[in-house]
Amino acid sequence: AQRVTQPEKLLSVFKGAPVELKCNYSYSGSPELFWYVQYSRQRLQLLLRHISRESIKGFTADLNKGETSFHLKKPFAQEEDSAMYYCALQNNAGNMLTFGGGTRLMVKP
Amino acid sequence: DTEVTQTPKHLVMGMTNKKSLKCEQHMGHRAMYWYKQKAKKPPELMFVYSYEKLSINESVPSRFSPECPNSSLLNLHLHALQPEDSALYLCASSLLGSSLETQYFGPGTRLLVL
Repeated sequence: AQRVTQPEKLLSVFKGAPVELKCNYSYSGSPELFWYVQYSRQRLQLLLRHISRESIKGFTADLNKGETSFHLKKPFAQEEDSAMYYCALQNNAGNMLTFGGGTRLMVKP
Repeated sequence: DTEVTQTPKHLVMGMTNKKSLKCEQHMGHRAMYWYKQKAKKPPELMFVYSYEKLSINESVPSRFSPECPNSSLLNLHLHALQPEDSALYLCASSLLGSSLETQYFGPGTRLLVL
């Protein structure tokens, strides 16, 4: 079975502060991990995926297989980063995407 | 066209009604998905279609009946639903359904069962 855990339901920071949204996973195979984001009144969309090793909107995430984690980080939060963030794990067959419970990020001015 | 569209945006139905949700994409994707999302919860996978064939049914009650008439269209037929089925129903698609692919989500249909 595959499982994704996001321990924080809500994370509130001030503008310019560093942000780290935690994600831990459980999966017996080799995981494919993603961060999806949902801005207010917008559809769920991909933010980044571990295979790409890229930085999107200043966010990065590193897969740590030893700690089974895929935490999302940004050095300086912006107000427009306020949104719901979901960590998600895709199984090796590619037919099951499991989401974590989500973390709501609020960036205060 | 690089979007997944869903109709209707909102739907209210009684427990004896029959209704259908529609999802469409013209990105040439061959994998399509239905998710259910309750308030303040993450999306939960219901069905997966791969090349117009049902490949995954996550133990969904038979009152939900999916259909994939062609590679661009995915329907979800609803019959005899319960109030607890009220939720946001999301459709998504991906290119071939492999583990490395991004899923593209529609805006959802918000369903209320009275």
